Amino acid sequence: GAGVSQTPSNKVTEKGKYVELRCDPISGHTALYWYRQSLGQGPEFLIYFQGTGAADDSGLPNDRFFAVRPEGSVSTLKIQRTERGDSAVYLCASSLSAGHYEQYFGPGTRLTVT
Amino acid sequence: GENVEQHPSTLSVQEGDSAVIKCTYSDSASNYFPWYKQELGKRPQLIIDIRSNVGEKKDQRIAVTLNKTAKHFSLHITETQPEDSAVYFCADSGGGADGLTFGKGTHLIIQP
Repeated sequence: GAGVSQTPSNKVTEKGKYVELRCDPISGHTALYWYRQSLGQGPEFLIYFQGTGAADDSGLPNDRFFAVRPEGSVSTLKIQRTERGDSAVYLCASSLSAGHYEQYFGPGTRLTVT
Repeated sequence: GENVEQHPSTLSVQEGDSAVIKCTYSDSASNYFPWYKQELGKRPQLIIDIRSNVGEKKDQRIAVTLNKTAKHFSLHITETQPEDSAVYFCADSGGGADGLTFGKGTHLIIQP
């Protein structure tokens, strides 16, 4: 079946602009995770949804970052007033449910803030 | 917070030899330990995982061992092949089903 998909694959934006990154999880997966991966580093946890609610947003770096999952499927990560330090690959992962630990990743969105 | 240390950062082995990558974790409540393989420009791929109620798991040429007392776990790849060249990440889930905490990665190079 189809895996996790993310759009866009690449996004270049100017400092101070607003961006939205989209994640479409594997069909039937109720848990969805956002991570950020900087060059040469492992993925860094940002936020996790179980269904529509954010079960843990402790990894969001500051209040410029926000994520939603209104219908319990597709999720959008929103970044306001982007800064150059936000440049990274943003990865989304999904798992069958919060009790099933296996997480499957999407291809990521490479965000470049100029 | 939770911390995962991974060693070595780079590992070069001859094709056909074995490779071992080691990780340590800090949260004694951690109960799930996956390993991911990431090729350049690609997504991380889950290759094997282990839960805290077992000490070893094997899948063809790869195996993972877990020592809960010492809080460390290792990835073992036998009969390495050129396609094993990639960056490998260990991770742990802490005590629940929250986000994973990843190590910094090991760049595995298979020399022909």
